[in-house]
Amino acid sequence: EAAVTQSPRSKVAVTGGKVTLSCHQTNNHDYMYWYRQDTGHGLRLIHYSYVADSTEKGDIPDGYKASRPSQENFSLILELASLSQTAVYFCASSDAPGQFQDTQYFGPGTRLLVL
Amino acid sequence: GDSVTQTEGPVTVSESESLIINCTYSATSIAYPNLFWYVRYPGEGLQLLLKVITAGQKGSSRGFEATYNKETTSFHLQKASVQESDSAVYYCALGATNSAGNKLTFGIGTRVLVRP
Repeated sequence: EAAVTQSPRSKVAVTGGKVTLSCHQTNNHDYMYWYRQDTGHGLRLIHYSYVADSTEKGDIPDGYKASRPSQENFSLILELASLSQTAVYFCASSDAPGQFQDTQYFGPGTRLLVL
Repeated sequence: GDSVTQTEGPVTVSESESLIINCTYSATSIAYPNLFWYVRYPGEGLQLLLKVITAGQKGSSRGFEATYNKETTSFHLQKASVQESDSAVYYCALGATNSAGNKLTFGIGTRVLVRP
């Protein structure tokens, strides 16, 4: 069974502080993704990675950095957390692109509240 | 850009009733996107419910069905008789596979509550 785990599951942060969200997958997938979901919006792609030590910007990368130190781990970093970054964050992994390999497997989400 | 519009929730139905969640899409970056329904049960991550990659085809899983209609750009999700365990949030998504991986564009999600 494919597995993607995230930590922490919830976090309260202060404005201006640094926040690191972690994601770990045991799927042996090359691709990993970070999404955020806000009320009234679908999931939106922040960053993704297709190989260790390399990350790419998604649709809404401003205010976020990402790190992929290994195939299994992918972190999302908020250097200076802001109120607008309060959201639920989802990590996902998938095989390389291809119509029959494009299913993404998601973690349970991290609920972040910035005060 | 690409977009997905789906039924706003919450949608409340009684057990054994039918359910339909509407989904329409606009795909500007790719002519033939892959279409997906993901489901998120309480406390869990999103998981794939069904997907269809060919226009005109129907996908089905766990009693749910959705048909890829290119003419109406729709991918509505239906179930004839729901169970309490179907209470969840359902997301319609379109996928554009390219060098950027398998980029998914999601709808806002539809929360479904099934009354016993």
